[in-house]
Amino acid sequence: AQSVTQLDSQVPVFEEAPVELRCNYSSSVSVYLFWYVQYPNQGLQLLLKYLSGSTLVKGINGFEAEFNKSQTSFHLRKPSVHISDTAEYFCAVRESVRDDKIIFGKGTRLHILP
Amino acid sequence: DAGVIQSPRHEVTEMGQEVTLRCKPISGHDYLFWYRQTMMRGLELLIYFNNNVPIDDSGMPEDRFSAKMPNASFSTLKIQPSEPRDSAVYFCASSPVGDRVREQYFGPGTRLTVT
Repeated sequence: AQSVTQLDSQVPVFEEAPVELRCNYSSSVSVYLFWYVQYPNQGLQLLLKYLSGSTLVKGINGFEAEFNKSQTSFHLRKPSVHISDTAEYFCAVRESVRDDKIIFGKGTRLHILP
Repeated sequence: DAGVIQSPRHEVTEMGQEVTLRCKPISGHDYLFWYRQTMMRGLELLIYFNNNVPIDDSGMPEDRFSAKMPNASFSTLKIQPSEPRDSAVYFCASSPVGDRVREQYFGPGTRLTVT
């Protein structure tokens, strides 16, 4: 069965510093991978997605993620964070062929320090 | 497009009362998902529908929870009777027809407090 592990529940980082949010998944078949962002008191919105092809995926707000099949990882990065990036970030996976459901990780809360 | 619409945005009720949460998916989307989010358990899938038919309700916590989708533009999640441990934010999400990726579009959520 597929699963998603977000290794850090909280990540503090200074404004304008780079950040990496880690995500590992387990699945025996090919997958689609997603990062969603949830701003305070809002629903989740899609940040970026990996379907196939280039392993480096660019999303909104300057975020990007790299798919690494051998390490079954899909880490999210941003070279310089802003206070407005304060949010919770969810990694998610869907098996590309046989499942309609997206499995979400438990989330990583990003704290931007002034 | 207005996006996924949920109502009410906030609900406060007393233990034992019936609660009904409502969702209007994006027009043309054929999948609808109900999630519950709590600090302790994170984001949990409760049930999902395809073309108004429930496909998987294995995440529904117990018989007190029920969900319906009478037509393509409306779904309800009902809790009867409600208990304090049902306090959470409930999200509805929908996915478009023919999208092999099944990207989900989330509503703003309903914050339920059961006292």
